[in-house]
Amino acid sequence: AQKITQTQPGMFVQEKEAVTLDCTYDTSDQSYGLFWYKQPSSGEMIFLIYQGSYDEQNATEGRYSLNFQKARKSANLVISASQLGDSAMYFCAMREEGAQKLVFGQGTRLTINP
Amino acid sequence: GAVVSQHPSRVICKSGTSVKIECRSLDFQATTMFWYRQFPKKSLMLMATSNEGSKATYEQGVEKDKFLINHASLTLSTLTVTSAHPEDSSFYICSADPGTGRGKGSKKLFFGSGTQLSVL
Repeated sequence: AQKITQTQPGMFVQEKEAVTLDCTYDTSDQSYGLFWYKQPSSGEMIFLIYQGSYDEQNATEGRYSLNFQKARKSANLVISASQLGDSAMYFCAMREEGAQKLVFGQGTRLTINP
Repeated sequence: GAVVSQHPSRVICKSGTSVKIECRSLDFQATTMFWYRQFPKKSLMLMATSNEGSKATYEQGVEKDKFLINHASLTLSTLTVTSAHPEDSSFYICSADPGTGRGKGSKKLFFGSGTQLSVL
C-alpha cells in the first residue's frame, strides 16, 4: 500500500525567502511518480512539479524544485524567492505505476508574510 | 494547458434530493477520471476511479449506491449524490487522466475547479 506523509501542518515564511515543504512516502514499488499540487483558497488544484522514480535529476519548474532523495523516500518541494501569491495549501502526492490513482498527503498550509 | 471543466461550482440543495456534478475534459480525451472528496482543511480523499465505458471502482467505505458515477464518454464523467443528507456536504473535485496512449497513466492529472455541495 502506498502512503504519503506531510508532517508540517502549517508554515510561515517571509516574502522573498526560500521555503522547503517536506514530503515522505512509502511504497514497495520500484516505479512510481511523485507530484506536488498547490490549492489556493478558490479550491482548484494547480499542478506544480513531477518527479519520476527513475529520474536521475531533480525536477525543476521555474521557482519550484523537488529535492528527491530516493534512499530516504523523501520528495521535498523547494520554493525559491517566495511571493505573497504562494500562500496556499500544498499537497504532495504519489502514483505507483501499476495503480491508476493518485494518493495525497495531508497537506501543508503555507503563509507568506510581507 | 489542458482544461477540465467541473460544473456546478457551488450547489445548495434540500435533504433528500439528488445532485449531479459534471466533469468534462475540454481539449483531451480522458481514459480515466477520478472523483475526490475534501473536507475543510483536510486532504483529498479518493472516492472512486472511473474508466470510460465500464463500471467505476469505488474506494473502501464509499457507498456506490449513494455516489453514482457514470463515465459515458472519453470527455465526460458525472457524479450523482443520491438522496443527499447534510453529512454529504463537502467539496467534491474531479481529475482527468489523458493517458499516454500506451495503456498507462500520464505524468500529470488535470483537476476540475471543484464543487462545493451544501445540503440543508
